[in-house]
Amino acid sequence: SAVISQKPSRDICQRGTSLTIQCQVDSQVTMMFWYRQQPGQSLTLIATANQGSEATYESGFVIDKFPISRPNLTFSTLTVSNLSPEDSSIYLCSVGEGKSTDTQYFGPGTRLTVL
Amino acid sequence: GDSVTQMEGPVTLSEEAFLTINCTYTATGYPSLFWYVQYPGEGLQLLLKATKADDKGSNKGFEATYRKETTSFHLEKGSVQVSDSAVYFCALTSGSSNTGKLIFGQGTTLQVKP
Repeated sequence: SAVISQKPSRDICQRGTSLTIQCQVDSQVTMMFWYRQQPGQSLTLIATANQGSEATYESGFVIDKFPISRPNLTFSTLTVSNLSPEDSSIYLCSVGEGKSTDTQYFGPGTRLTVL
Repeated sequence: GDSVTQMEGPVTLSEEAFLTINCTYTATGYPSLFWYVQYPGEGLQLLLKATKADDKGSNKGFEATYRKETTSFHLEKGSVQVSDSAVYFCALTSGSSNTGKLIFGQGTTLQVKP
């Protein structure tokens, strides 16, 4: 399976600032996804990062708050903007391997704390 | 819409005990089913999967069988170890769309005591 890395692994940010999270894969992949895991909760899909076009956002998530870039088939960024304490979560990227997205593999996650 | 329901935790077992974590789902079409595991302080790891009815996924002594008639995918292990202590997530990808979206259950915490 693909090796996925994320930067930073954790960060503490002030209210009103932004954090950009990077996701790097060691091979080209078709599908990349961003998930949020709020404290003690399950994972929720934020958006699908599409290479060369705008990301596809799930209900409840908007581009102004969670802008995403996908400049090539091995890299994506998620920015969490105008931070509030409610944004404190673990953010994970995942990739779908092979011809379909049937199986996803996850990065190690970025733990964000907003003060 | 599609959904996944897991048994509530925490589940606390003694080492070498038998483990069952129940998972049921609601989905249109023919979803693929997964179990992911999250060890303390780490990301998600794929534990096993099944892509069609009656398939059995297995890995590291864990097993789960795709039961279409009962819409279930229960996770089992014959003899748990302390190192199995983690949060286990059941998930599905929709069989009726090709978006690749994973829908997760709420997670079940397993604590194994020596």
